[in-house]
Amino acid sequence: QVQLVQSGGGVVQPGRSLRLSCSGSGFRFSNYAVHWVRQAPGKGLQWVAVISYDGRNKYYGDSVKGRFTISRDNSKNTLNLQMNSLRPEDTAVYYCARDLGYDYTQVYYWGQGALVTVSS
Amino acid sequence: NFMLTQPHSVSESPGKTVTISCTGSSGSIARSYVQWLQQRPGSAPTTVISDDDQRPSGVPDRFSGSIDTSSNSASLTISGLKTEDEADYYCQSYDLSSQSVVFGGGTKLTVL
Repeated sequence: QVQLVQSGGGVVQPGRSLRLSCSGSGFRFSNYAVHWVRQAPGKGLQWVAVISYDGRNKYYGDSVKGRFTISRDNSKNTLNLQMNSLRPEDTAVYYCARDLGYDYTQVYYWGQGALVTVSS
Repeated sequence: NFMLTQPHSVSESPGKTVTISCTGSSGSIARSYVQWLQQRPGSAPTTVISDDDQRPSGVPDRFSGSIDTSSNSASLTISGLKTEDEADYYCQSYDLSSQSVVFGGGTKLTVL
């Protein structure tokens, strides 16, 4: 079955960096777009970024553009999110999620989530 | 930018039917598929409806989705409510103009 297993997360000071990873299994990882979605404590879901199946196309939400970088390594079935210049408002549970297909439009299978806390 | 609006909360009794709406802010909601997600407390979301009205395997047929272009809205209907259906429900679509995924604000369903 489709599985997305996340690693990373933790507590980081404002202005510092953190890297999240997500490993996919149970499907051909290189055939699907993959997203990052976050959820601040007690709040709703907020889309962060998506990367195309081949890594050529990347799109970001306005709140993270220029600070976060999404990447993937299809040889290792791995998705990454490099988060720089972190702010307290970036505090959230971050989910990696596989798209239904290749066209970025439906966030279908979800990882277990990783909590990122930005605090001094 | 395209936005999706949901009621903050709904409640209904076990065995009854409830419908959760998701209204698009502009343009046609039919331009891109709508998906519905269920999130129980402390858990990751799971998909209960994709492609406007398709149920993933394992999702009970008590869950159904639909699109109404006249009101520019999507709906999730849950019939024969069970206490286990109590959760937050999010609609999700795609904004073609900004090339971004859009989520509704979420609806808390209480079954009492």
